[in-house]
Amino acid sequence: GAVVSQHPSWVICKSGTSVKIECRSLDFQATTMFWYRQFPKQSLMLMATSNEGSKATYEQGVEKDKFLINHASLTLSTLTVTSAHPEDSSFYICSAQDSGTEAFFGQGTRLTVV
Amino acid sequence: RKEVEQDPGPFNVPEGATVAFNCTYSNSASQSFFWYRQDCRKEPKLLMSVYSSGNEDGRFTAQLNRASQYISLLIRDSKLSDSATYLCVVGRGNSGYALNFGKGTSLLVTP
Repeated sequence: GAVVSQHPSWVICKSGTSVKIECRSLDFQATTMFWYRQFPKQSLMLMATSNEGSKATYEQGVEKDKFLINHASLTLSTLTVTSAHPEDSSFYICSAQDSGTEAFFGQGTRLTVV
Repeated sequence: RKEVEQDPGPFNVPEGATVAFNCTYSNSASQSFFWYRQDCRKEPKLLMSVYSSGNEDGRFTAQLNRASQYISLLIRDSKLSDSATYLCVVGRGNSGYALNFGKGTSLLVTP
C-alpha cells in the first residue's frame, strides 16, 4: 500500500514554544491530507483538512491560528502547534489517500508539552 | 449523538473463540465504511472495508445494515495476535475522504 511518513514520532517541548509536525506521502501525490488528534481513551478526531495550494479547512472548535497548516506541495503537509500548552499534549496523526478510498496514516506524533 | 458509536469493551476471549463487535453511525449520507485496527500507541491500519452485501476476509466477516445504520465485525478462531483495538470508521458522506472514527473496541485474546 501507499506510504505516509510523519515526523517526528514524539516530541517534548516547553509550554509557550511552537512545534512543527511533517506529513509526507512518499510514493503518491496527495492533494488532500487530513490531520487528526487523539486524546487518551478517546477516538481520533478530525482537526482539519489540508488542501494543496489553498487554505486548510478546520473543524468546529479547532483554532486555526493555533494549529497552522501548510500544504505547499503535493507530497507534504505540515501542522504547527503554536504557543503549545499542556492541554495540547496529544497524539497527532495525519492521513492521505491515493487514487483509492483507503486512508493511509502516518506513524503519528506524540506531543508532550511540559 | 456521537457520529460513530462502539462498545469500548474490553472483550477478553480465549484463543479460538469467536467474537463480534458492533457499531452504529448517525450520518445516513455516509457512503464508505471500514474497520481499522489500532495497536497501542500506533497508527490505525485498515483491516477491511465494509460493503452492503457483507464481505469476508479469512477469519474476518463484516456486515453493513444501512437501514439500521449498523456495522458489525465477526472474528472467528481468535489468535493472540488479534489483540488490539478495533475502530469502526465511517466516511463523512461529503466530498473528500475525511473519516469519522469510533472510540474503538478493545480485544484481548488470551492463551
